[in-house]
Amino acid sequence: AQSVTQPDIHITVSEGASLELRCNYSYGATPYLFWYVQSPGQGLQLLLKYFSGDTLVQGIKGFEAEFKRSQSSFNLRKPSVHWSDAAEYFCAVGASRGSTLGRLYFGRGTQLTVWP
Amino acid sequence: SQTIHQWPATLVQPVGSPLSLECTVEGTSNPNLYWYRQAAGRGLQLLFYSVGIGQISSEVPQNLSASRPQDRQFILSSKKLLLSDSGFYLCAWSSSFEAFFGQGTRLTVV
Repeated sequence: AQSVTQPDIHITVSEGASLELRCNYSYGATPYLFWYVQSPGQGLQLLLKYFSGDTLVQGIKGFEAEFKRSQSSFNLRKPSVHWSDAAEYFCAVGASRGSTLGRLYFGRGTQLTVWP
Repeated sequence: SQTIHQWPATLVQPVGSPLSLECTVEGTSNPNLYWYRQAAGRGLQLLFYSVGIGQISSEVPQNLSASRPQDRQFILSSKKLLLSDSGFYLCAWSSSFEAFFGQGTRLTVV
């Protein structure tokens, strides 16, 4: 069965420091992988996605993620964190359903706190 | 462009009362539609998933039901709310290989 693990529930970094949020998945076929960000009381915004091709994907707001099939990981990174990056981050894995996205499964989320 | 509308934004309901949350999508046809519930520290739980009118897949047994009376309308319902139904409910749609979320409904059952 598909599953997503985000081992870090809460991460605190200083503004300007680098960031890496971990994500591991379990999926029987080639996964479709996503990172979303959620501000308090809001919906989810897509940061980036991986379907195929280059394993290093660039997203919005300076984020990037690297797909490592051998480690079943899709970690999110940012070289220099801004205070506005404080939010909750969700990793997700999706199944394909023909030419569309089927079910999308989420990890438990990582809450990011940024110190000034 | 595609947009997704979800309402109400917040809702306080007594235990045992009915529930109806509505989600509509504009600018696309035949989307896949989803209802998720988010509880603190537990991520997003997929509740229902629909690939077409009248087609509903339930992911977990619970006190809730879903319906899709029109192509771009997805409704989450309950006949009698429980305290454990409190949470943040998110509607989402997908076509191609991307999913888009509504702004969510904060439901508090008292």
